[in-house]
Amino acid sequence: DTEVTQTPKHLVMGMTNKKSLKCEQHMGHRAMYWYKQKAKKPPELMFVYSYEKLSINESVPSRFSPECPNSSLLNLHLHALQPEDSALYLCASSQDHRGAGTDTQYFGPGTRLTVL
Amino acid sequence: SQQGEEDPQALSIQEGENATMNCSYKTSINNLQWYRQNSGRGLVHLILIRSNEREKHSGRLRVTLDTSKKSSSLLITASRAADTASYFCATAWGIYGNKLVFGAGTILRVKS
Repeated sequence: DTEVTQTPKHLVMGMTNKKSLKCEQHMGHRAMYWYKQKAKKPPELMFVYSYEKLSINESVPSRFSPECPNSSLLNLHLHALQPEDSALYLCASSQDHRGAGTDTQYFGPGTRLTVL
Repeated sequence: SQQGEEDPQALSIQEGENATMNCSYKTSINNLQWYRQNSGRGLVHLILIRSNEREKHSGRLRVTLDTSKKSSSLLITASRAADTASYFCATAWGIYGNKLVFGAGTILRVKS
């Protein structure tokens, strides 16, 4: 199974709502990632979890809160978002070879988020 | 910023022709990867080339890496309509080499 699943596929939320994005993989990968992609732009890294610990936070605003409950699951909790946060949110996973220079990231289909 | 540049921004070719996309980057890297994205959905990994490799093949794909020029190219031979997509290069860096920085991307359209 080389699939990364993401739910929901689409999400519309108001600026006062609290919602969560979910990501799951069953490839035994130990690194998981959140990316944000605006229209016609490349993906931008937000967070990296390695062995269930947050290892990289790319100065993301606190209204985005990641969580890694176990090695297969990754959540992104959303609270008090702004309309400019509307984007495609991509999750990815990789084996995490710890610097061997061979990590391939496998991406999910993304959640398209619209903030009203 | 270590984000790379890609050119061309858009490429339109006929089915059966070859497509070449170029990527440049700014800092030392662990590896460089190419990804394909269809219609704003998830990215599909195409090929990874390590910093000590110069050329790599996978099916109809050929990737070259020139670390002295900090550049890479992706060649798709005998293109098909199904190759129509956005193509991104991504450089891997950071202490564990798992921090990907994507280039701006090339939109490829293959006309049948």
